[in-house]
Order: sequence, then C-alpha cells, then structure tokens
Amino acid sequence: DQQVKQNSPSLSVQEGRISILNCDYTNSMFDYFLWYKKYPAEGPTFLISISSIKDKNEDGRFTVFLNKSAKHLSLHIVPSQPGDSAVYFCAARGGADGLTFGKGTHLIIQP
Amino acid sequence: EAGVAQSPRYKIIEKRQSVAFWCNPISGHATLYWYQQILGQGPKLLIQFQNNGVVDDSQLPKDRFSAERLKGVDSTLKIQPAKLEDSAVYLCASRPLGEGDQETQYFGPGTRLLVL
Repeated sequence: DQQVKQNSPSLSVQEGRISILNCDYTNSMFDYFLWYKKYPAEGPTFLISISSIKDKNEDGRFTVFLNKSAKHLSLHIVPSQPGDSAVYFCAARGGADGLTFGKGTHLIIQP
Repeated sequence: EAGVAQSPRYKIIEKRQSVAFWCNPISGHATLYWYQQILGQGPKLLIQFQNNGVVDDSQLPKDRFSAERLKGVDSTLKIQPAKLEDSAVYLCASRPLGEGDQETQYFGPGTRLLVL
C-alpha cells in the first residue's frame, strides 16, 4: 500500500514556464515533507522541505505548498530551466525517522 | 565537505551468491540509513542506525540481508544469498543529530546491483 503517491510518472514543460509536480499521501501521521531531485547515476539531493504546521515554503525558484486537509503537496518551479530536468521524489516523515518516498516524477524541460 | 561515499558503484553477481556494500557517511553524522531503490520505484528504507545501534530494521529481509556499523562510522550491507529480485540500487544516506525539525538526509551515489 503506497503511502506517498506521485501519480504523474513524467511531465514535460517548456523552458521559462512553471513546472508543477504533485504528491498525495495517505498517512495522517506524516509531519514533515521533502522534495528530492535525482540525476541519473547519482543519489537523490535535497531540494526543499515543509513542516506540517506550515502551508508554504519558498526557496528561490522553488516553492512547496501543503494542503493538509487534502493530504496533498505540490512543488512549483518558476521559471523552469534546462538543468531542472531530473527525477523528483516526494518524501514524508512520520513517527519513525526514516523517509517514505513516492515513485518519482521525471521532469523534462524543453527548450 | 566530502559527501557520502559508497563502493562499489556497480556489481553483477549470480543468484545465490553473496555480496557486500560499503558506506562511509559524512563526517560527524550520527544517523545512517540504507535504502533499496528498485527500478521505477522510490527508495525504500531497509535499516537505520544511530551511532552503532539499530533504530529501525523493520523492513530489512533478515533471512538474507544483514547490516552493521560496528564503530559508529562506516557501515556494510550484506546480501546472502542473493535473489533475482534483489537487483536494485542500494543507497546509503546520513544525517547529523540535532537538526531539530529538519529531516535532511544526504545520499551517496548508490551501488547498482544486478543479480543474474
């Protein structure tokens, strides 16, 4: 049973436009959410996070929104750049210390 | 600051053979994790150490997988005997204590295992 779901395996966005990556979760015990970015043959790198007590966190071109009632979070990238092309993982922490990851969304930025 | 180191980067073995992976976390990081990432999936936590003690190994298939972190620094993950379904990337991550609300884990490049 997947507790963290990323329903879009891939997303194609034009350079300069906004990229929106979505993530849904089912476990109400999750209290911290993170986005990781992964290039081929590399480990995931931390991008941005949000605590369950907040509904928005912003870091440069990246903004994460959390809707607790809908158990939904999203990552906005504005403007999208070619170097943003990667696989993005949504992850959640709750109770135990380890993270629960979604399956990832492959973002492709087209010139 | 050096990142999380893992070796080997790639390994090909036949089923029923044994294999071991090594991880050196970021200096000073007390918490170390091993994840398994099967193709097309997100990473799945196998085991978590804090210093040299196991915090969570509930998802570790203990009949064939074992892990240790004897001196609270480096860690090894072993599979014996390997099965075809163990083909995956094995990721090591570390995190310092005392980051408060943050759960930022730093990942190594992973070891890609292929079991034939």
